[in-house]
Amino acid sequence: GENVEQHPSTLSVQEGDSAVIKCTYSDSASNYFPWYKQELGKRPQLIIDIRSNVGEKKDQRIAVTLNKTAKHFSLHITETQPEDSAVYFCAASLGTLIQGAQKLVFGQGTRLTINP
Amino acid sequence: EAEVAQSPRYKITEKSQAVAFWCDPISGHATLYWYRQILGQGPELLVQFQDESVVDDSQLPKDRFSAERLKGVDSTLKIQPAELGDSAMYLCASSQEGNNEQFFGPGTRLTVL
Repeated sequence: GENVEQHPSTLSVQEGDSAVIKCTYSDSASNYFPWYKQELGKRPQLIIDIRSNVGEKKDQRIAVTLNKTAKHFSLHITETQPEDSAVYFCAASLGTLIQGAQKLVFGQGTRLTINP
Repeated sequence: EAEVAQSPRYKITEKSQAVAFWCDPISGHATLYWYRQILGQGPELLVQFQDESVVDDSQLPKDRFSAERLKGVDSTLKIQPAELGDSAMYLCASSQEGNNEQFFGPGTRLTVL
């Protein structure tokens, strides 16, 4: 089955700097890669996702890159702000637009702290 | 904005007791998931429903866990008997047919004493 590894487990950056979180996956058939943000005591919320037919996707200060050959994908947050402090989870799944979502296999999470 | 609802938000029980969690997905979402999240780890899928049918329960400890979604809408996850190692956050999520995005509920935090 799919296995997702996420690094680093903790990350501390100065406000305004960039943060990068990396994930690797094992199943080359995986084709959907979302990133979730989970603030303390709150539900995970999708912040960005990418499909295997795209190499990069950007949404304002957040971007995700995917390298299918190497089976890894990364989250990039630029101009970090205190409200970016949270736990971030990457995930991988076999999803089809016909059948809908398949199960997500999550990484272990990265606790990001933005220092003012 | 529609959200996934879960109850209770917190549950404390003693080992060997039975517990049940309830989830109401976003209206119209055919797929429902139950995940378990141990503190400091990512969520792990326990069971996935497509309407009222189970499509994946390979990670569900079936000797003590059960899940149902009788009318294909809301769902109940039960543990009987609870063990100390079951202490975790139980998250419910739902997704729309033809869409990979999963929407999570607030979770039920279970503490087994």
